[in-house]
Amino acid sequence: DVKVTQSSRYLVKRTGEKVFLECVQDMDHENMFWYRQDPGLGLRLIYFSYDVKMKEKGDIPEGYSVSREKKERFSLILESASTNQTSMYLCASSLDTSDSGNTIYFGEGSWLTVV
Amino acid sequence: RKEVEQDPGPFNVPEGATVAFNCTYSNSASQSFFWYRQDCRKEPKLLMSVYSSGNEDGRFTAQLNRASQYISLLIRDSKLSDSATYLCVVNMEGTALIFGKGTTLSVSS
Repeated sequence: DVKVTQSSRYLVKRTGEKVFLECVQDMDHENMFWYRQDPGLGLRLIYFSYDVKMKEKGDIPEGYSVSREKKERFSLILESASTNQTSMYLCASSLDTSDSGNTIYFGEGSWLTVV
Repeated sequence: RKEVEQDPGPFNVPEGATVAFNCTYSNSASQSFFWYRQDCRKEPKLLMSVYSSGNEDGRFTAQLNRASQYISLLIRDSKLSDSATYLCVVNMEGTALIFGKGTTLSVSS
């Protein structure tokens, strides 16, 4: 059974803190993604990665960075958390991009509150 | 980035009703199309792919009109368990999936 695991489900952080959100997938997928989801705004792509040590900016990369040192792990980093980064963060992975909708799997989400 | 647009709803229907959701996409280079379902406070999950010839899965029928850049999802004989948000999703080769903002369906008894 495919699994995308987001280790931190619920976090409360203070403004200015550095925050790490970890994501691990067990299906040897090349592609990994980080989205955030907010009411009325839908899913917005932050960063994605097609290979180890490779990253591409999505639609809203400002205030975020990512790290992909190993194929199975894709980390999202908030260098200095701000209250407008309070959101639900979704990690996803897929096998390839040509038909990735059929093979994209999401983690259960990380609910981050910045106070 | 080009957008995918959906009517946000909510659609409030009684059990047994037929309901249709529509979605338009702006980039004609889009190649693959999908409907995802998302339950409250859960992650999105693939409901079905959408093909030009139309495809059906039980009570669910999806249609694609490439000329009009339009995708639809029809749900027949609605069940309480169909209550969820339905996301229209578009893919172009070499890019990440583009999600619509979702249409909320509430089925009541």
